[in-house]
Amino acid sequence: GIQVEQSPPDLILQEGANSTLRCNFSDSVNNLQWFHQNPWGQLINLFYIPSGTKQNGRLSATTVATERYSLLYISSSQTTDSGVYFCAVLTFWGFGNVLHCGSGTQVIVLP
Amino acid sequence: NAGVTQTPKFQVLKTGQSMTLQCAQDMNHEYMSWYRQDPGMGLRLIHYSVGAGITDQGEVPNGYNVSRSTTEDFPLRLLSAAPSQTSVYFCASSYSNMGGVTSPLHFGNGTRLTVT
Repeated sequence: GIQVEQSPPDLILQEGANSTLRCNFSDSVNNLQWFHQNPWGQLINLFYIPSGTKQNGRLSATTVATERYSLLYISSSQTTDSGVYFCAVLTFWGFGNVLHCGSGTQVIVLP
Repeated sequence: NAGVTQTPKFQVLKTGQSMTLQCAQDMNHEYMSWYRQDPGMGLRLIHYSVGAGITDQGEVPNGYNVSRSTTEDFPLRLLSAAPSQTSVYFCASSYSNMGGVTSPLHFGNGTRLTVT
């Protein structure tokens, strides 16, 4: 099946720092989703981005589908950005989508 | 809209017991799916459904059953619980059609299951 690799596995930031998270995938995909798991375990959608660039406040994402990678940028990080960031790709299989999830990047933002 | 609702939030079972994790969505999404998340890992697909009456296996289906009798509900059944099924379970839904048009996955808040 499709492989999804995220890097780095762990990231410790000082509040106010910028960072880039990377997601590589092994095959062509229908779509790609970034989501954040907060310290309470909830999964929050960040971006749904098959290609191109999207921005939402201090976060932005870029997917280059032809080169099979996506980047998530966090600017001016805050302690509330702590948690695990997952990249998941969706492949269209049969009559529906199948999600393939990376192992995540654990982000800790220190005050 | 409530979105995706999972119940219960927490459950403790003894080995061999059976139970059903409930998942309901009110967004009229065709696609629903169940995932498990083990410590330090991402989500692994257990089963999914692309509409009422249609289900299929995911990556880790053994020990779990599903059915989809309505668009809104997609319960996950553990037939005979084992300690290896201790995990956090997430249900998700999205719009999906046969033309490949989809929406982002919307997740429930999870069920934390412990099997002793």
